[in-house]
Amino acid sequence: QLQLHESGPGLVKPSETLSLTCSVSGGSTSSSSYFWGWIRQPPGKGLEWIGTIYYTGNTYYNPSLKRRLTISVETSKNQFSLRLSSVTAADTAVYYCARLIQTGSPRYYFDSWGQGTLVTVSS
Amino acid sequence: IVLTQSPGTLSLSPGEGATLSCRASQSVDSTFLAWYLQKPGQAPRLLIYGASTRATGIPDRFSGSGSGTDFTLTISRLEPEDFAVYYCQHYRSSLWTFGQGTKVEIK
Repeated sequence: QLQLHESGPGLVKPSETLSLTCSVSGGSTSSSSYFWGWIRQPPGKGLEWIGTIYYTGNTYYNPSLKRRLTISVETSKNQFSLRLSSVTAADTAVYYCARLIQTGSPRYYFDSWGQGTLVTVSS
Repeated sequence: IVLTQSPGTLSLSPGEGATLSCRASQSVDSTFLAWYLQKPGQAPRLLIYGASTRATGIPDRFSGSGSGTDFTLTISRLEPEDFAVYYCQHYRSSLWTFGQGTKVEIK
């Protein structure tokens, strides 16, 4: 059974870089059948797609975050990671990692999610 | 593409039916339209993909329909565990978009 688990600091200072890792078990980040993605949810608000990565390293970013965002995959560790630079209070959110179906039809939906991790930006 | 969900909040009683709307700002491919359910304190869960296909383990009281710009999630008879927030989501041109959500609350 696929499991995804987000890890990283729960508190980040303004202007610093937020770094999170998603560890995957029960599945492989090197599979050609899936994308891997990050989604966030500010407290009391809706879902915002952050970005998506394929095992080849190809990335797709939310244009509103692209300038500050880096998503990478480490297939040898079965992990993928998120780095968001120059954070402000507006980046405070629960951050989720998820798997996306990318083969067949229908596709490009998030079929499995991590539990999420709250990241607070504050001095 | 902007996805607009309505209503923002739906107040219903258990056993009643619910109809949730997701409207796209331009015509979209229904193959790439999905619905999710999120309960308080939990991660979202996939309900429907390809606009009308139920995900594994989703009961048949949930159904999805629609095409073009208008999509609907219907819950035939609300069970207590169905009171939650529902999101639609779409993919196009390497961009994924979520609607703002509809909260289904107990009346």
